[in-house]
Amino acid sequence: SQQGEEDPQALSIQEGENATMNCSYKTSINNLQWYRQNSGRGLVHLILIRSNEREKHSGRLRVTLDTSKKSSSLLITASRAADTASYFCATETSGSARQLTFGSGTQLTVLP
Amino acid sequence: SAVISQKPSRDICQRGTSLTIQCQVDSQVTMMFWYRQQPGQSLTLIATANQGSEATYESGFVIDKFPISRPNLTFSTLTVSNMSPEDSSIYLCSVEGGQGYTDTQYFGPGTRLTVL
Repeated sequence: SQQGEEDPQALSIQEGENATMNCSYKTSINNLQWYRQNSGRGLVHLILIRSNEREKHSGRLRVTLDTSKKSSSLLITASRAADTASYFCATETSGSARQLTFGSGTQLTVLP
Repeated sequence: SAVISQKPSRDICQRGTSLTIQCQVDSQVTMMFWYRQQPGQSLTLIATANQGSEATYESGFVIDKFPISRPNLTFSTLTVSNMSPEDSSIYLCSVEGGQGYTDTQYFGPGTRLTVL
């Protein structure tokens, strides 16, 4: 079963707006990773945040992690039509030997 | 980061047949993983492929249905056996990023399987 739940399931915004996606999980983790998937193709790794980190930035991406609430958020600023994709969070659970457990995903649509 | 290729990229198969999917990495990696993504769903881990030992399967997946080979540190295969329409999915392999990126997992482009 999926460990993580993401919300919203779907998000539609205008180009230039910011998009925020949230991820919740259930058990202790080593790290949390965000991925993007375009139209059922392979996954593109976006960013990794470790359990002892609270915030991380990469270009237009900002990820936060709150281990007390077992939640993370991904913020995409100044969105572009090319950001349209499905976004997944994935957690590496403590003691899991590097296996990832994926959230349910958020389908982001950025309208031009 | 690791560069991963998969073959075939897609296939349409008949019920009862088997398909072997190949995953090739451009560098040596210790751990390789196989995931399934059913239509409209998220990814589910099938098994961890270890070089020199049998694969470790997750709950709900068995070796007879999904035999895995890992002959060396850059290559693995997943076979989907005795297929049924319920096996229609995207199958993805992933690897750890290697030196300097050991926490990060990188994914292949996936194999889209349709079973008629």
